[in-house]
Amino acid sequence: QKEVEQNSGPLSVPEGAIASLNCTYSDRGSQSFFWYRQYSGKSPELIMFIYSNGDKEDGRFTAQLNKASQYVSLLIRDSQPSDSATYLCAVNMEGGSEKLVFGKGTKLTVNP
Amino acid sequence: EAEVAQSPRYKITEKSQAVAFWCDPISGHATLYWYRQILGQGPELLVQFQDESVVDDSQLPKDRFSAERLKGVDSTLKIQPAELGDSAMYLCASSLSKDRSGKLFFGSGTQLSVL
Repeated sequence: QKEVEQNSGPLSVPEGAIASLNCTYSDRGSQSFFWYRQYSGKSPELIMFIYSNGDKEDGRFTAQLNKASQYVSLLIRDSQPSDSATYLCAVNMEGGSEKLVFGKGTKLTVNP
Repeated sequence: EAEVAQSPRYKITEKSQAVAFWCDPISGHATLYWYRQILGQGPELLVQFQDESVVDDSQLPKDRFSAERLKGVDSTLKIQPAELGDSAMYLCASSLSKDRSGKLFFGSGTQLSVL
């Protein structure tokens, strides 16, 4: 079964620190990787996507991908209390139907 | 800003009753998804449509769940009969089919409670 694994946390960091969120996936043929943010009681919102090995930066967010290790991470610099949410890693598995598989999510709390 | 519309926002029902959820995707989005999210878990795909055709319903419990998208626009997900284990958030999402990248736009969801 194709899986996406995340540390469920909770992860707690002080305001201004770097939050590091990690994800591993089982399907070696996966090509597309996504991070969604989900506030409590709300629906997921796409914040980052990455297709190639290496780093991709967007403002305070950096996504990192290592396909050889089947590992993707999200770094949040200068963490703010408003970043407190659950972060879902999603991987587009092979198979023709472009099936997006989500991990269970990591709950992040940024303490003022 | 265009949004995915879902209704109702909340639904409380008794087990063995029938329930239905409605979704209207962003205009022009040919791909529509229904996900189920149990508290503390990630979303799980129930069914994926490309226009009016089902692309993937491998995780849909077909003995009690049905989904349709007759005109390739809005969609309905039905559960009959509802069971206690069906209590969850039901999320509808849409994407541009030509994008084929997993960039999904989610609606606000329907929170289902089965008593």
